Amino acid sequence: ETGVTQSPTHLIKTRGQQVTLRCSSQSGHNTVSWYQQALGQGPQFIFQYYREEENGRGNFPPRFSGLQFPNYSSELNVNALELDDSALYLCASSLGPHSWEKLFFGSGTQLSVL
Amino acid sequence: KNEVEQSPQNLTAQEGEFITINCSYSVGISALHWLQQHPGGGIVSLFMLSSGKKKHGRLIATINIQEKHSSLHITASHPRDSAVYICAVGGNEKLTFGTGTRLTIIP
Repeated sequence: ETGVTQSPTHLIKTRGQQVTLRCSSQSGHNTVSWYQQALGQGPQFIFQYYREEENGRGNFPPRFSGLQFPNYSSELNVNALELDDSALYLCASSLGPHSWEKLFFGSGTQLSVL
Repeated sequence: KNEVEQSPQNLTAQEGEFITINCSYSVGISALHWLQQHPGGGIVSLFMLSSGKKKHGRLIATINIQEKHSSLHITASHPRDSAVYICAVGGNEKLTFGTGTRLTIIP
């Protein structure tokens, strides 16, 4: 049990729609990172939020956006869904934004785009 | 060439065997993480290393900064160790992940 929860666990959308995925971090963790994991691949870094500000972004287009709230929850929003967006989306919280911080992962949201 | 390479990609072993999973990386790093992912997606952090060696129960992780190489060892392997093991490396903030090693331990 990592203390990080994600919702929903599964989601089916059609191409062109918009989706919001949610993550509830451990209390006191002011950093959340979001990752996309395609089948058979390692997670790919989407972006990180630290104290409610974006603090780094991977190679993802602007239609991937996020928010972090003062209550340790966060959102990943994806607009204009494409078939290739089908993947497992993981959030991970940590005490701080540095790569040496221990990460606490949620169980992920499996997104299918038809 | 990927920044993080893991080997082997798949490993099947008998219960009780000594297991070694390798991770090589091509960039300078501040930290290396070993993670365990079970079916269904959940990821658990096993170790964070910046130098030397760490041990937790039957798991041992080592890192050689000069060689840009890390190993994860499992002693007295058990079927519950069956999972995907992922290596991730980081500079200051962003982590780059390997594709994982799928380990299956047969009773």
